[in-house]
Amino acid sequence: NAGVTQTPKFQVLKTGQSMTLQCAQDMNHEYMSWYRQDPGMGLRLIHYSVGAGITDQGEVPNGYNVSRSTTEDFPLRLLSAAPSQTSVYFCASSYSVFEGSYNSPLHFGNGTRLTVT
Amino acid sequence: EDKVVQSPLSLVVHEGDTVTLNCSYEVTNFRSLLWYKQEKKAPTFLFMLTSSGIEKKSGRLSSILDKKELSSILNITATQTGDSAIYLCALVPQGGSEKLVFGKGTKLTVNP
Repeated sequence: NAGVTQTPKFQVLKTGQSMTLQCAQDMNHEYMSWYRQDPGMGLRLIHYSVGAGITDQGEVPNGYNVSRSTTEDFPLRLLSAAPSQTSVYFCASSYSVFEGSYNSPLHFGNGTRLTVT
Repeated sequence: EDKVVQSPLSLVVHEGDTVTLNCSYEVTNFRSLLWYKQEKKAPTFLFMLTSSGIEKKSGRLSSILDKKELSSILNITATQTGDSAIYLCALVPQGGSEKLVFGKGTKLTVNP
């Protein structure tokens, strides 16, 4: 029973490097999202998707790209890493989010701890 | 400007104490309010509240929503060291937007 799987668990990058954080879910969830968590800041939404082929920006999208080619996968790309992107990243998913039917809690992955030096 | 405000930000208690965590919000029209517990890794779901005045209960934990006061509380009775965690509150907005808004969390430490 995998749920939401994030890889890698830890990553260290140098400023300017690029990388992709992977997120996969096996629950056939339509809604997927990426959050970053920083001390004292809570969880902040980066990008989200309500279905394959559909993505939208959250609260802090700058410096990140996403795509949703399949229902299962929602990778987060850092094109040119900066020290300000040092954080713990969480992927989360849930069932259909259409008006009137969204009534299920988010399921979170175990997070990726990213350090940018 | 924070739409979801949790208080206190941190709390230290002794085993056996009862604690009350608060979540206040500014949005008047929303679908539901969620509570999560976060230990070392992923937040885990505790409660979903949609109706005012109806208490949700799970063991020693309970939560209630007060739409008149624009707030929710999470109560933990007879606390144990295993209750030490960050407790997160989140608002699910109305209108088709799926931008859940999380509070900054309350860090609870339960000492033996």
